[in-house]
Amino acid sequence: AQSVTQPDIHITVSEGASLELRCNYSYGATPYLFWYVQSPGQGLQLLLKYFSGDTLVQGIKGFEAEFKRSQSSFNLRKPSVHWSDAAEYFCAVGDDYGGATNKLIFGTGTLLAVQP
Amino acid sequence: GAVVSQHPSWVICKSGTSVKIECRSLDFQATTMFWYRQFPKQSLMLMATSNEGSKATYEQGVEKDKFLINHASLTLSTLTVTSAHPEDSSFYICSAIRGQGRADTQYFGPGTRLTVL
Repeated sequence: AQSVTQPDIHITVSEGASLELRCNYSYGATPYLFWYVQSPGQGLQLLLKYFSGDTLVQGIKGFEAEFKRSQSSFNLRKPSVHWSDAAEYFCAVGDDYGGATNKLIFGTGTLLAVQP
Repeated sequence: GAVVSQHPSWVICKSGTSVKIECRSLDFQATTMFWYRQFPKQSLMLMATSNEGSKATYEQGVEKDKFLINHASLTLSTLTVTSAHPEDSSFYICSAIRGQGRADTQYFGPGTRLTVL
């Protein structure tokens, strides 16, 4: 069965430091992969996605992620974290790409705290 | 941008009562909407897929008679938790797909916190 694992439940980084959030997936075919951010009182916001092509994808707010098939990973990175990046981050895999259902399977999330 | 709202944002109810949660796509039409449930420090779990004008499709293990979904228009889906019990307390999130788009065009509402006493 398809699954997504985010090994880090909670991460704290200093403002200005680099960030990497880990995501591993299990999927039988070529996956559709996503990173979402959830802030209190707001809906999940799509940061970036990978469907095919270039394995390094750029997203909003300065985030990027790299798809590594050999490692079944899709780690999220940002070179310099801002205090406003403090939020919960979810990795997700699309369960039925190309079909009508567009289901998403989410990881358990990583809560990012940013120290001044 | 595409905006999805949920109402109410939080609700407290007594055990045995029913609660209705609304999900609206404010500036686009949504043929398909999804309902998720999120427990503290856990992932979003898909409960059901709501299709306008047809019956919802429930995920395995989700009681369709307990979680009633109605998608009567292209901008509104409702989730009714019937005879709610404390174990139904959770954060319920909806999402809507704009048009016939793929998963990247799934827009999420801000969620509804349900507490059943």
